[in-house]
Amino acid sequence: GIQVEQSPPDLILQEGANSTLRCNFSDSVNNLQWFHQNPWGQLINLFYIPSGTKQNGRLSATTVATERYSLLYISSSQTTDSGVYFCAVPGGTYKYIFGTGTRLKVLA
Amino acid sequence: NAGVTQTPKFRVLKTGQSMTLLCAQDMNHEYMYWYRQDPGMGLRLIHYSVGEGTTAKGEVPDGYNVSRLKKQNFLLGLESAAPSQTSVYFCASSSGFGAYEQYFGPGTRLTVT
Repeated sequence: GIQVEQSPPDLILQEGANSTLRCNFSDSVNNLQWFHQNPWGQLINLFYIPSGTKQNGRLSATTVATERYSLLYISSSQTTDSGVYFCAVPGGTYKYIFGTGTRLKVLA
Repeated sequence: NAGVTQTPKFRVLKTGQSMTLLCAQDMNHEYMYWYRQDPGMGLRLIHYSVGEGTTAKGEVPDGYNVSRLKKQNFLLGLESAAPSQTSVYFCASSSGFGAYEQYFGPGTRLTVT
């Protein structure tokens, strides 16, 4: 089945720094989502981005489907950006495959 | 528009007890899913439903049952809870599968002692 890998697994930033999170997937997909799991455990939809680039405030995402990767950019990070970032793609019958996540900590 | 809601938010059970988790969505989505999240394991699909009256097994269905009697509700049951079922449970819904966005509920933290 399709494999999803995220890097880096852990990231510590000072407030105001920029970062890039990566999601690699092993097969072609027609959907990719990025989620943020905040410190309270809630899973928040960030982007639905099967291809191309989208921006939402300080966050943007790019998916290059032909090369099987997606990038999530966080600019001017804030402490509220802390948490775990997951990407997910459809894989198999009605099953979404989640990466193992990037744990981000932003220090004040 | 509440999106996806889950009841309860927290629960502690003793081994062998039973309980039902309720998921409700108000987006008229056909597809609904139950996941569990464990440290280091990511999210794993327990059961899913592609429409009212239908259910199917996911990756880790043992020890769980589900029902989808109404389109907006998806129930997850534990008949005889075990400590291995201590986890955070998430419900999600989508209008379709594949090229469709999934929306998640806030989660239920279950501890089985």
